[in-house]
Amino acid sequence: AQSVAQPEDQVNVAEGNPLTVKCTYSVSGNPYLFWYVQYPNRGLQFLLKYITGDNLVKGSYGFEAEFNKSQTSFHLKKPSALVSDSALYFCAVRDDNYGQNFVFGPGTRLSVLP
Amino acid sequence: GAGVSQSPSNKVTEKGKDVELRCDPISGHTALYWYRQSLGQGLEFLIYFQGNSAPDKSGLPSDRFSAERTGGSVSTLTIQRTQQEDSAVYLCASSHPAGRTLNTEAFFGQGTRLTVV
Repeated sequence: AQSVAQPEDQVNVAEGNPLTVKCTYSVSGNPYLFWYVQYPNRGLQFLLKYITGDNLVKGSYGFEAEFNKSQTSFHLKKPSALVSDSALYFCAVRDDNYGQNFVFGPGTRLSVLP
Repeated sequence: GAGVSQSPSNKVTEKGKDVELRCDPISGHTALYWYRQSLGQGLEFLIYFQGNSAPDKSGLPSDRFSAERTGGSVSTLTIQRTQQEDSAVYLCASSHPAGRTLNTEAFFGQGTRLTVV
């Protein structure tokens, strides 16, 4: 079965510093990996995905993520954090060998301090 | 449509009443998902549709919850005899099926905030 772990409930970073939000996954087939962001009182917004190809994928708002097959990880990164990046971030996986469902991690709350 | 549309955006109901939540997915998306989110918490999977059938309804919390999808498009989530613990934001998402396209991400609606008083 699929599963996603986000080991940190909360990440705090100073504005202008690089940020990393961690995600590890478990699937039986090939993983399709996603990051979503949720601002207060809003639905989830798609940030980026890894399906195939280059391990480093770039997405919206300057975010990027690196797929690491050997470590089964898909960490979200940004070189320079903004206060406006403060939100709840969810990692998700779809397994092309196991139905069509999305499995979401528990979420990581990012706080960027001015 | 341009995005996933959910209605109503807010619903306040009395304990014991039935409620119906609606989701209108992106045109052409055959996969549709319902999730529940308590305040500031993670996503709780409820049910997944592929076309009009529901291959995975394992997340429905009790037999008071049911969902249907007609015409491969609009879906309704029905909660009978609502309880206070049903209060949450109910999120709907739609996507293309995995494996047939690279555009496999799910797109979410803004949610329905249900409050049971």
